Amino acid sequence: KNEVEQSPQNLTAQEGEFITINCSYSVGISALHWLQQHPGGGIVSLFMLSSGKKKHGRLIATINIQEKHSSLHITASHPRDSAVYICAVSSFLGNNRLAFGKGNQVVVIP
Amino acid sequence: GAGVSQSPRYKVAKRGQDVALRCDPISGHVSLFWYQQALGQGPEFLTYFQNEAQLDKSGLPSDRFFAERPEGSVSTLKIQRTQQEDSAVYLCASSGRDFLGGTQYFGPGTRLLVL
Repeated sequence: KNEVEQSPQNLTAQEGEFITINCSYSVGISALHWLQQHPGGGIVSLFMLSSGKKKHGRLIATINIQEKHSSLHITASHPRDSAVYICAVSSFLGNNRLAFGKGNQVVVIP
Repeated sequence: GAGVSQSPRYKVAKRGQDVALRCDPISGHVSLFWYQQALGQGPEFLTYFQNEAQLDKSGLPSDRFFAERPEGSVSTLKIQRTQQEDSAVYLCASSGRDFLGGTQYFGPGTRLLVL
């Protein structure tokens, strides 16, 4: 079983809709990262969090350490939000290396 | 820009050929990571440097893979006798933190295709 599981694997939304994607992990972590990857493009770090909630523009990330679960919310979604969103964790055991989920493919239709 | 850069961006190699992939991290960043991303998958850890020291190479898939960072800045990932299963995007990331959990800044990746 992968250390990091993401759901749903694929999500299609209409422009303006509220989007939620989820990440569950099975190890003790020092931090959880949400990353964005556009087709053919590099990876951009969106959030790094170890507790609570962070907000940046229309993006909100939350984490529940007890439940080993995080969510990424996109409010008022836009076609430019179409990308793969990857959850990754840095583990206490892992020497700062990241363990990645397979990603959530999000498509926002105009 | 002052981000992480990688070269080449694309590399086509014949099976059995040796390749070298370069990563220029953000200036002053202590930590440097190499990841391998197969098509449709999340990245997988390969190796980690703190300055010039390779502290973790447990993710390197075989002894054909070798990485170095001799002066604690630029890093090179070398793959000897490439095989078709080596085809992937190779990502480099750097971090200013030498402890757990620092934000990692990713390069654009090198897309390697082995024929």
